[in-house]
Amino acid sequence: NAGVTQTPKFQVLKTGQSMTLQCAQDMNHEYMSWYRQDPGMGLRLIHYSVGAGITDQGEVPNGYNVSRSTTEDFPLRLLSAAPSQTSVYFCASTKGQGARWYGYTFGSGTRLTVV
Amino acid sequence: DQQVKQNSPSLSVQEGRISILNCDYTNSMFDYFLWYKKYPAEGPTFLISISSIKDKNEDGRFTVFLNKSAKHLSLHIVPSQPGDSAVYFCAASAGYTGANSKLTFGKGITLSVRP
Repeated sequence: NAGVTQTPKFQVLKTGQSMTLQCAQDMNHEYMSWYRQDPGMGLRLIHYSVGAGITDQGEVPNGYNVSRSTTEDFPLRLLSAAPSQTSVYFCASTKGQGARWYGYTFGSGTRLTVV
Repeated sequence: DQQVKQNSPSLSVQEGRISILNCDYTNSMFDYFLWYKKYPAEGPTFLISISSIKDKNEDGRFTVFLNKSAKHLSLHIVPSQPGDSAVYFCAASAGYTGANSKLTFGKGITLSVRP
């Protein structure tokens, strides 16, 4: 049981380049989210999904796109990378339902540097 | 406007003593509160949670207290161990289904437990 898998673990981009951060979970979780962590800022929600085909914006969505074609995968696309997008990105998932909710399970993160 | 506040950026305690980590929130719609622990270069891991219908939840050395009238919660770790040294995030949601399951995080507290 791999949990939440994020690839790549590290990436350096040039300003203006595009790329996709991959996220996959094997726990049959309905809900998935993308967060970014910046020093002194905690974790901020970028986009989230409550099921295949359903996505919505979080707190800081500008510059990012998502899609959810399957339950397992939730890729995050950077359209035109900017230095302000230098951050650590975390993907997370949860079952959502049930009397005992343990919140989201997080991946190990992707450290992105935009130069 | 920060909805979840962890006003102390760091805390240092002696091994064996109690660690008390505080968290305040402003959104009265928050119904579920969680604590996550994060080691460097890893994703956050779930520690303990509490529903707004309770004022205390205990799991081993970890206890979370909720004071709804004061919009305040705290995490108590007794006894503290060097392995508890990490960043602790307080998080809140308006529920655990659908869009309500979105987590709002505080900025985190760095706990150092001295041997």
